[in-house]
Amino acid sequence: SYEVTQPPSVSVSPGQTASITCSGDKLGDKYTCWYQQKPGQSPVLVIYEDSKRPSGIPERFSGSNSGSTATLTISGTQAMDEADYYCQAWDSSIVVFGGGTKLTVL
Amino acid sequence: EVQLVESGGGLVQPGGSLRLSCAASGFTFSSTGMNWVRQAPGKGLEWVSYISSSSNTIYYADSVKGRFTISRDNAKNSLYLQMNSLRDEDTAVYYCARERDYGGNSAFDYWGQGTLVTVSS
Repeated sequence: SYEVTQPPSVSVSPGQTASITCSGDKLGDKYTCWYQQKPGQSPVLVIYEDSKRPSGIPERFSGSNSGSTATLTISGTQAMDEADYYCQAWDSSIVVFGGGTKLTVL
Repeated sequence: EVQLVESGGGLVQPGGSLRLSCAASGFTFSSTGMNWVRQAPGKGLEWVSYISSSSNTIYYADSVKGRFTISRDNAKNSLYLQMNSLRDEDTAVYYCARERDYGGNSAFDYWGQGTLVTVSS
Protein backbone atom coordinates (compact mmCIF):
# COMPACT_ATOMS: atom_id res chain seq x y z
CA SER A 1 0.00 0.00 0.00
CA TYR A 2 1.08 3.55 -0.66
CA GLU A 3 2.77 5.45 2.15
CA VAL A 4 3.87 9.03 2.72
CA THR A 5 6.49 9.92 5.31
CA GLN A 6 6.91 13.07 7.40
CA PRO A 7 9.55 14.01 9.94
CA PRO A 8 8.15 13.62 13.46
CA SER A 9 9.18 17.11 14.50
CA VAL A 10 10.42 20.42 13.17
CA SER A 11 11.53 23.43 15.21
CA VAL A 12 11.62 27.04 14.09
CA SER A 13 12.27 30.41 15.68
CA PRO A 14 9.54 33.03 15.55
CA GLY A 15 9.69 35.05 12.35
CA GLN A 16 11.75 32.42 10.52
CA THR A 17 10.69 30.03 7.78
CA ALA A 18 9.54 26.51 8.62
CA SER A 19 9.57 23.74 6.05
CA ILE A 20 7.77 20.45 6.58
CA THR A 21 8.33 17.67 4.07
CA CYS A 22 6.20 14.76 2.96
CA SER A 23 7.85 12.00 0.93
CA GLY A 24 6.37 9.22 -1.15
CA ASP A 25 7.02 7.28 -4.32
CA LYS A 26 6.35 9.62 -7.28
CA LEU A 27 4.39 11.88 -4.93
CA GLY A 28 4.86 14.71 -7.40
CA ASP A 29 2.51 12.89 -9.75
CA LYS A 30 -0.28 13.14 -7.18
CA TYR A 31 -2.02 16.13 -5.61
CA THR A 32 -1.31 16.68 -1.92
CA CYS A 33 -3.14 18.52 0.84
CA TRP A 34 -1.95 19.75 4.22
CA TYR A 35 -3.89 19.99 7.46
CA GLN A 36 -3.09 21.83 10.67
CA GLN A 37 -4.26 20.41 13.98
CA LYS A 38 -3.86 22.19 17.28
CA PRO A 39 -4.23 20.32 20.61
CA GLY A 40 -7.82 19.38 21.33
CA GLN A 41 -9.07 20.71 18.00
CA SER A 42 -10.18 19.23 14.71
CA PRO A 43 -7.89 19.39 11.67
CA VAL A 44 -8.02 22.45 9.43
CA LEU A 45 -7.22 22.40 5.71
CA VAL A 46 -4.36 24.83 5.00
CA ILE A 47 -3.21 23.75 1.51
CA TYR A 48 -4.98 21.83 -1.26
CA GLU A 49 -3.89 20.83 -4.76
CA ASP A 50 -0.24 21.08 -3.68
CA SER A 51 -0.11 24.86 -3.36
CA LYS A 52 -3.53 26.48 -3.09
CA ARG A 53 -4.78 28.16 0.07
CA PRO A 54 -8.40 27.92 1.17
CA SER A 55 -10.16 31.14 2.02
CA GLY A 56 -9.06 32.44 5.40
CA ILE A 57 -5.65 30.76 5.46
CA PRO A 58 -2.84 33.34 5.85
CA GLU A 59 -0.51 33.98 2.92
CA ARG A 60 2.47 32.83 4.97
CA PHE A 61 1.34 29.25 4.28
CA SER A 62 2.50 27.88 0.94
CA GLY A 63 3.07 24.50 -0.63
CA SER A 64 4.94 22.76 -3.40
CA ASN A 65 5.20 19.24 -4.76
CA SER A 66 7.78 17.78 -7.12
CA GLY A 67 9.51 14.49 -7.65
CA SER A 68 8.97 12.47 -4.52
CA THR A 69 8.55 15.28 -2.02
CA ALA A 70 5.81 17.73 -1.11
CA THR A 71 6.70 20.65 1.12
CA LEU A 72 4.64 22.89 3.36
CA THR A 73 6.37 26.20 3.97
CA ILE A 74 5.40 28.68 6.64
CA SER A 75 7.06 32.06 6.18
CA GLY A 76 7.41 34.42 9.11
CA THR A 77 6.28 31.68 11.49
CA GLN A 78 4.21 32.86 14.42
CA ALA A 79 3.63 31.30 17.82
CA MET A 80 0.05 30.53 16.77
CA ASP A 81 1.40 28.24 14.03
CA GLU A 82 2.65 25.73 16.61
CA ALA A 83 0.64 22.61 15.81
CA ASP A 84 0.71 19.18 14.24
CA TYR A 85 0.72 19.17 10.44
CA TYR A 86 -0.43 16.27 8.26
CA CYS A 87 0.08 15.77 4.56
CA GLN A 88 -2.48 13.79 2.61
CA ALA A 89 -2.52 12.22 -0.83
CA TRP A 90 -4.59 9.71 -2.78
CA ASP A 91 -3.52 6.29 -3.95
CA SER A 92 -6.14 5.55 -6.59
CA SER A 93 -9.27 6.24 -4.53
CA ILE A 94 -7.76 5.50 -1.12
CA VAL A 95 -6.80 8.40 1.11
CA VAL A 96 -3.35 8.30 2.67
CA PHE A 97 -2.20 10.52 5.54
CA GLY A 98 1.35 11.09 6.63
CA GLY A 99 2.23 10.36 10.23
CA GLY A 100 2.22 14.03 11.14
CA THR A 101 4.88 16.58 12.05
CA LYS A 102 4.89 18.50 15.30
CA LEU A 103 5.95 22.07 14.61
CA THR A 104 7.50 23.78 17.60
CA VAL A 105 8.00 27.54 17.56
CA LEU A 106 10.69 28.49 20.03
CA GLU B 1 -22.17 28.26 8.08
CA VAL B 2 -21.07 24.70 7.46
CA GLN B 3 -21.51 22.49 10.51
CA LEU B 4 -20.75 18.82 11.04
CA VAL B 5 -21.79 17.33 14.37
CA GLU B 6 -20.85 13.77 15.23
CA SER B 7 -22.59 11.66 17.86
CA GLY B 8 -22.90 8.07 18.97
CA GLY B 9 -19.49 7.47 20.46
CA GLY B 10 -18.96 5.73 23.76
CA LEU B 11 -17.51 2.75 25.57
CA VAL B 12 -18.05 -0.66 23.98
CA GLN B 13 -16.61 -4.10 24.65
CA PRO B 14 -14.39 -5.88 22.14
CA GLY B 15 -16.56 -7.63 19.60
CA GLY B 16 -19.37 -5.18 20.13
CA SER B 17 -21.06 -2.74 17.78
CA LEU B 18 -21.66 0.98 17.63
CA ARG B 19 -23.30 3.34 15.17
CA LEU B 20 -21.91 6.82 14.66
CA SER B 21 -23.90 9.67 13.16
CA CYS B 22 -22.87 12.97 11.63
CA ALA B 23 -25.47 15.71 11.24
CA ALA B 24 -24.63 18.16 8.46
CA SER B 25 -25.93 21.67 7.90
CA GLY B 26 -25.05 24.86 6.06
CA PHE B 27 -24.41 23.28 2.66
CA THR B 28 -26.06 21.04 0.07
CA PHE B 29 -25.35 17.71 1.72
CA SER B 30 -26.90 15.66 -1.10
CA SER B 31 -24.30 16.99 -3.55
CA THR B 32 -21.20 16.27 -1.45
CA GLY B 33 -19.01 13.26 -0.87
CA MET B 34 -18.29 12.53 2.78
CA ASN B 35 -15.64 10.72 4.75
CA TRP B 36 -14.90 9.28 8.16
CA VAL B 37 -11.40 9.83 9.55
CA ARG B 38 -10.20 8.59 12.93
CA GLN B 39 -7.41 9.45 15.32
CA ALA B 40 -6.25 7.09 18.03
CA PRO B 41 -5.20 8.76 21.31
CA GLY B 42 -1.90 10.53 20.80
CA LYS B 43 -1.60 9.25 17.23
CA GLY B 44 -2.02 10.59 13.71
CA LEU B 45 -4.96 10.76 11.35
CA GLU B 46 -6.23 7.60 9.67
CA TRP B 47 -8.77 7.68 6.86
CA VAL B 48 -11.59 5.17 7.41
CA SER B 49 -14.20 5.41 4.66
CA TYR B 50 -15.72 7.47 1.84
CA ILE B 51 -19.21 7.66 0.39
CA SER B 52 -20.22 9.59 -2.72
CA SER B 53 -23.12 12.02 -2.78
CA SER B 54 -25.56 9.43 -4.14
CA SER B 55 -24.07 6.48 -2.22
CA ASN B 56 -23.07 4.88 -5.53
CA THR B 57 -19.39 4.79 -4.65
CA ILE B 58 -18.01 3.59 -1.32
CA TYR B 59 -14.45 2.91 -0.22
CA TYR B 60 -12.98 1.54 2.98
CA ALA B 61 -9.55 1.35 4.53
CA ASP B 62 -8.24 -2.21 4.69
CA SER B 63 -8.21 -2.00 8.50
CA VAL B 64 -12.02 -1.74 8.68
CA LYS B 65 -13.16 -3.50 5.51
CA GLY B 66 -15.79 -6.13 6.26
CA ARG B 67 -16.45 -4.74 9.75
CA PHE B 68 -17.57 -1.13 9.15
CA THR B 69 -20.36 0.13 6.90
CA ILE B 70 -20.73 3.73 5.78
CA SER B 71 -24.11 5.07 4.73
CA ARG B 72 -26.00 8.32 4.39
CA ASP B 73 -29.53 9.68 4.38
CA ASN B 74 -29.67 12.75 2.17
CA ALA B 75 -33.25 13.50 3.28
CA LYS B 76 -31.97 13.83 6.84
CA ASN B 77 -28.62 15.45 5.96
CA SER B 78 -26.92 12.71 7.89
CA LEU B 79 -23.89 10.45 7.54
CA TYR B 80 -23.47 7.20 9.42
CA LEU B 81 -20.81 4.65 10.30
CA GLN B 82 -21.94 1.24 11.51
CA MET B 83 -19.05 -0.38 13.34
CA ASN B 84 -19.21 -4.11 14.08
CA SER B 85 -16.72 -6.59 15.54
CA LEU B 86 -14.93 -3.75 17.27
CA ARG B 87 -11.34 -4.24 18.39
CA ASP B 88 -9.13 -2.47 20.91
CA GLU B 89 -7.29 -0.82 18.03
CA ASP B 90 -10.51 0.86 16.86
CA THR B 91 -10.34 3.13 19.91
CA ALA B 92 -10.13 6.65 18.51
CA VAL B 93 -11.83 9.96 17.97
CA TYR B 94 -13.92 9.62 14.82
CA TYR B 95 -14.36 12.68 12.62
CA CYS B 96 -16.71 13.16 9.74
CA ALA B 97 -15.19 15.33 7.02
CA ARG B 98 -16.68 17.00 3.98
CA GLU B 99 -14.88 16.31 0.73
CA ARG B 100 -14.81 19.31 -1.54
CA ASP B 101 -14.25 18.70 -5.23
CA TYR B 102 -11.88 21.27 -6.72
CA GLY B 103 -12.47 20.09 -10.27
CA GLY B 104 -11.22 16.54 -10.28
CA ASN B 105 -9.14 16.87 -7.14
CA SER B 106 -10.49 16.89 -3.64
CA ALA B 107 -9.68 17.89 -0.08
CA PHE B 108 -11.39 17.67 3.27
CA ASP B 109 -12.42 21.27 3.77
CA TYR B 110 -14.66 20.93 6.83
CA TRP B 111 -14.37 18.59 9.81
CA GLY B 112 -16.67 17.87 12.71
CA GLN B 113 -15.55 18.09 16.33
CA GLY B 114 -15.25 14.32 16.59
CA THR B 115 -16.79 11.62 18.77
CA LEU B 116 -14.72 9.31 20.96
CA VAL B 117 -15.07 5.56 20.62
CA THR B 118 -13.43 3.48 23.32
CA VAL B 119 -13.21 -0.28 22.88
CA SER B 120 -12.33 -1.93 26.15
CA SER B 121 -13.44 -4.72 28.42
